Amino acid sequence: DQQVKQNSPSLSVQEGRISILNCDYTNSMFDYFLWYKKYPAEGPTFLISISSIKDKNEDGRFTVFLNKSAKHLSLHIVPSQPGDSAVYFCAASARTGTASKLTFGTGTRLQVTL
Amino acid sequence: NAGVMQNPRHLVRRRGQEARLRCSPMKGHSHVYWYRQLPEEGLKFMVYLQKENIIDESGMPKERFSAEFPKEGPSILRIQQVVRGDSAAYFCASSEDRLNIQYFGAGTRLSVL
Repeated sequence: DQQVKQNSPSLSVQEGRISILNCDYTNSMFDYFLWYKKYPAEGPTFLISISSIKDKNEDGRFTVFLNKSAKHLSLHIVPSQPGDSAVYFCAASARTGTASKLTFGTGTRLQVTL
Repeated sequence: NAGVMQNPRHLVRRRGQEARLRCSPMKGHSHVYWYRQLPEEGLKFMVYLQKENIIDESGMPKERFSAEFPKEGPSILRIQQVVRGDSAAYFCASSEDRLNIQYFGAGTRLSVL
């Protein structure tokens, strides 16, 4: 049962343009969402997060949008740079009780071309 | 401030041997999480520990796998009698408390021959 889905395995974007990575979730108990970036042979690196009480969070070139009614979030990177080429994971958690685990999507491989 | 440290980075074991994976959390972090990533898949939660206590082990296989986070020293993920299906990347993350961001180590890549 895949509770967090990233339906696009890969995405190619030209340098300087906008990259939009999408993520859908099914569990309505999720109330906190994160994006991680991962290079080969390294661990995931935290990028940006958003609480369910917000619909947008921005940090430099990265913006995350949350649409709770559609159970959908997206990560916008603008402008895209070659160093952004990596696998991007969407993750979600339900921060109730003692719960703290992250549920990850399968990732989207972003390639930023010159 | 050193990040999450995992060792070894690569571990090769033969079927039936034991694998021990170590994780030292970031300074000031007392919450540790272990995740496993199979090829071409996302990370899957295994276990969540706070100093000396297992808080959530809902993702841990019932047999052969165990985890600990002693008062002193790193967290250990132990896999007994490894099988080929245990081959994966194992990532450890730590956080300051359970509501804070989880920061990941570089992982241990386990290969079972």
